Amino acid sequence: DIQMTQSPSTLSASVGDRVTITCRASQSISNWLAWYQQKPGKAPKLLIYEASNLESGVPSRFSGSGSGTEFTLTISSLQPDDFATYYCQQCHSLYGFGPGTKLEIK
Amino acid sequence: QVTLRESGPALVKPTQTLTLTCTISGFSVNTAGMCVSWIRQPPGKALEWLARIDWDDAKYYNTSLKTRLTISKDTSKNQVVLTMTNMDPVDTATYYCGRIRAMVTTAPDYWGQGTLVTVSS
Repeated sequence: DIQMTQSPSTLSASVGDRVTITCRASQSISNWLAWYQQKPGKAPKLLIYEASNLESGVPSRFSGSGSGTEFTLTISSLQPDDFATYYCQQCHSLYGFGPGTKLEIK
Repeated sequence: QVTLRESGPALVKPTQTLTLTCTISGFSVNTAGMCVSWIRQPPGKALEWLARIDWDDAKYYNTSLKTRLTISKDTSKNQVVLTMTNMDPVDTATYYCGRIRAMVTTAPDYWGQGTLVTVSS
């Protein structure tokens, strides 16, 4: 099975900051990677699919990049609504999620 | 408008079989390219993918849980059903179903609100 890791596990930042979250796969998954945002008590929300494609309705401050085994999610200017937990998911060999990155207010 | 709604028992006993239903509106599970996945999340923990069923009845399972899972669809009711046998307290989690438009992406785009299942005697 493909193992997914994320770093950091927790990130403290302020409104207006640019932040980057990294996701790594244990083997190449080409660009078969998605990013989700999850708030407490809510279902995950799809942000990015196929590594860099912005899901419809998602603000353009979110962007994704990478291929192979290393991927990043960048939020260009943090907004109050962005404080949440973020998960990556590989969609190359069945499916698997990363452990999550909690984005907290500094 | 696409909606998915999970339903099933809130409490099951150890060793029992869990049956969850995902009731879908806004798309048909029979339409080419449409798939549904089940994902779960133990309290305070990460997401875990469980199973997927496609419009053509192709089925895929989490390797570690494959022997315990069965996914099926009832096209007349536009529902997807997941059964999990031999439930254990570690299976306590919120269970979600999600839509996949395979012609666009293999990532679930619409999710249900989830249903919490507790396994306890």
